[in-house]
Amino acid sequence: GAGVSQTPSNKVTEKGKYVELRCDPISGHTALYWYRQSLGQGPEFLIYFQGTGAADDSGLPNDRFFAVRPEGSVSTLKIQRTERGDSAVYLCASSLGAYNEQFFGPGTRLTVL
Amino acid sequence: RKEVEQDPGPFNVPEGATVAFNCTYSNSASQSFFWYRQDCRKEPKLLMSVYSSGNEDGRFTAQLNRASQYISLLIRDSKLSDSATYLCVVLKAAGNKLTFGGGTRVLVKP
Repeated sequence: GAGVSQTPSNKVTEKGKYVELRCDPISGHTALYWYRQSLGQGPEFLIYFQGTGAADDSGLPNDRFFAVRPEGSVSTLKIQRTERGDSAVYLCASSLGAYNEQFFGPGTRLTVL
Repeated sequence: RKEVEQDPGPFNVPEGATVAFNCTYSNSASQSFFWYRQDCRKEPKLLMSVYSSGNEDGRFTAQLNRASQYISLLIRDSKLSDSATYLCVVLKAAGNKLTFGGGTRVLVKP
């Protein structure tokens, strides 16, 4: 079956621009997570959705980052006024429910010039 | 101090040999523990969960020491295909966000 998909696979943008990253979770998975992985580091938690609501957004680094999941399926991570330090791989994961195994998508590699 | 710490390696391992490495975690409220595998430029994938009694999955053995707050992974009869980064992951009792270590890189050579 289809796994978690993320688009685009690569995104290059200029400092100060706005970007949107999309995640399509596995069908039927109610929980969705965003992580960020910098070079040579492990993934870091950003935000967790249960259904349409953000159950935990404690990992969002600042108010330039925002994520939505309006219909409880696809999610979009939005970054305003991008900075060079935002360059990383943004990983999305989904699970059947809370505490079930999380399956990761291939990630979006964001480069801010 | 990071919540989950790992030796970044690389561990250079001859094919067929055994390799073992640990990770330490700082939060005693951590409830569940996992090892994930990540290939270069790929997403992390669950390798195995780690149970208090220790558990084995084929050539892989995981151990948990709650008193000393460390987790270990042992790989027997290493294969070239075992070359990857192994991520130590903990889940706290409250909430279900995964906390990852920085990863241990393993290179198996012929």
